[in-house]
Amino acid sequence: AQSVTQPDIHITVSEGASLELRCNYSYGATPYLFWYVQSPGQGLQLLLKYFSGDTLVQGIKGFEAEFKRSQSSFNLRKPSVHWSDAAEYFCAVAERDSSYKLIFGSGTRLLVRP
Amino acid sequence: NAGVTQTPKFRILKIGQSMTLQCAQDMNHNYMYWYRQDPGMGLKLIYYSVGAGITDKGEVPNGYNVSRSTTEDFPLRLELAAPSQTSVYFCASRREGQIYEQYFGPGTRLTVT
Repeated sequence: AQSVTQPDIHITVSEGASLELRCNYSYGATPYLFWYVQSPGQGLQLLLKYFSGDTLVQGIKGFEAEFKRSQSSFNLRKPSVHWSDAAEYFCAVAERDSSYKLIFGSGTRLLVRP
Repeated sequence: NAGVTQTPKFRILKIGQSMTLQCAQDMNHNYMYWYRQDPGMGLKLIYYSVGAGITDKGEVPNGYNVSRSTTEDFPLRLELAAPSQTSVYFCASRREGQIYEQYFGPGTRLTVT
């Protein structure tokens, strides 16, 4: 069965430091991958997505992610974290059947130290 | 465009009560979804719809029902509320086609006591 694993429940970084959030997936075919961000009390906002082509994808708010098929990973990165980036981050893979439903990882909560 | 809207934002139910969570989108999306998010967990799919009149079960459908009489609306019904249904419920929609992402509503926080 398809699955998404986010091994880090919490990550704390200092403001201005770089960030990498890990995501591993299990999927038989080429996956459609997403990163969403959820600020406290808010819904989910799409940061970026990967369908095909260039394995390094750029998103909003200065985020990027790299698809590595050999490692079944889609890690999210940001070179310099801002206090406003504190939120919960979800990696997801889309089912490639008629539903296109999303399978989510359990999320990583990012805390930013001043 | 308002995007995906959900009402109510918060609700407290007693065990055994019923309620309907409303979801509407104004983007003319065919696909709509209901997810629940339990504390410390990712979202799990309850039901989805690929168009008006067509619905199907997701991963955790027990205790819920849905209908899709119009493209815009996708209500989620809880018939006999149980404490296990305490959760945050998100509705989402997407365009038809492989490459499109889902757009999410702001969520409904439901507590069953």
